[in-house]
Amino acid sequence: DQQVKQNSPSLSVQEGRISILNCDYTNSMFDYFLWYKKYPAEGPTFLISISSIKDKNEDGRFTVFLNKSAKHLSLHIVPSQPGDSAVYFCAARHAGGTSYGKLTFGQGTILTVHP
Amino acid sequence: ETGVTQSPTHLIKTRGQQVTLRCSSQSGHNTVSWYQQALGQGPQFIFQYYREEENGRGNFPPRFSGLQFPNYSSELNVNALELDDSALYLCASSLTGSNYGYTFGSGTRLTVV
Repeated sequence: DQQVKQNSPSLSVQEGRISILNCDYTNSMFDYFLWYKKYPAEGPTFLISISSIKDKNEDGRFTVFLNKSAKHLSLHIVPSQPGDSAVYFCAARHAGGTSYGKLTFGQGTILTVHP
Repeated sequence: ETGVTQSPTHLIKTRGQQVTLRCSSQSGHNTVSWYQQALGQGPQFIFQYYREEENGRGNFPPRFSGLQFPNYSSELNVNALELDDSALYLCASSLTGSNYGYTFGSGTRLTVV
């Protein structure tokens, strides 16, 4: 039962252009959605989050959009830089019950930004 | 402010053995979670501890167990290791009620042979 899905295993973009990473979910009991970036041999690093009651959150070059009706969120990186090359994970936080606080992750998308 | 530290960084064990992984939470955080990340997959939730008690568990068998200590550090114990337990084990700490992201450690790479 894959509750959070990232259907694109990889994405390649040119430096300076926009990177768009997508994520779909099936469970309506999530209260926050988060994006993490992961380099090899390191743990995931928190990037940006969005509450389930919002539709957009922006932090510098990173913007996350949430479409609740479609159960879809996306991370936009503008402009993309070579240092952004990493694996990006979408995660959803469970809102309550015995699963409160649990994060469910997608499979990840490998982003490569070419100079 | 120190981050989340995990030890050891790498470990090789034989099938059937037992292993203990350790985690020191970020200063000020009172909740710790453990995740298993298999190759090519996203992290999978194992369990979470708050105030030294387990308060959430994923789809993992009882041979996966844990502890949280008064200083909020934590251990993950796995008994009767199986080959499929080979993975990166990640510890994450957070402050209950905070809406900020969880802080992850760099993980322990466990190989079962």
